[in-house]
Amino acid sequence: DAGVTQSPTHLIKTRGQHVTLRCSPISGHKSVSWYQQVLGQGPQFIFQYYEKEERGRGNFPDRFSARQFPNYSSELNVNALLLGDSALYLCASSLSMGPGELFFGEGSRLTVL
Amino acid sequence: GESVGLHLPTLSVQEGDNSIINCAYSNSASDYFIWYKQESGKGPQFIIDIRSNMDKRQGQRVTVLLNKTVKHLSLQIAATQPGDSAVYFCAENNQGGKLIFGQGTELSVKP
Repeated sequence: DAGVTQSPTHLIKTRGQHVTLRCSPISGHKSVSWYQQVLGQGPQFIFQYYEKEERGRGNFPDRFSARQFPNYSSELNVNALLLGDSALYLCASSLSMGPGELFFGEGSRLTVL
Repeated sequence: GESVGLHLPTLSVQEGDNSIINCAYSNSASDYFIWYKQESGKGPQFIIDIRSNMDKRQGQRVTVLLNKTVKHLSLQIAATQPGDSAVYFCAENNQGGKLIFGQGTELSVKP
């Protein structure tokens, strides 16, 4: 069975540009969460979506947005990129909204120049 | 505020020895904890979890201990192998998909 898949795996952008990252959850999982992991630190929660609705948001500016589609896949959008947005962006899926195991993808490595 | 912290950023052990990785958390209301392993260039991989109504849980070669009195978690890895080399994170989960991760401990296994 396929795990959580993310695309692209690597990308380079310049300051001021925008980026769209994509995530496909494990089949049957309805919850998708996004995390930002800066080098040398633990992942930081950005968003959770469940049944196509935003269920939680971390301490990130409005430049960050996301959505979930009817097939439960998800997109993370970041506008007006800053150098500090350079990070590994991780997507995780789970069966439900409640506390439980999250399955992570391999991430999208974003470099902002 | 909420935080989950790790006591040591690096841990070096000899192959075959047991490893103990510690973690402190600050939210006494937390009711679910997870340990993740992250290898270089990869996403976090689930190791073991524990709910707050338990104080110990065992898996294959791994044991998690929870001390709610002092808000402390530990991960014990028995007979550590080179393949165990990675960064280990503890995380608190009490709001669905919102995991609060600690800084991480890098485990290095010497052959």
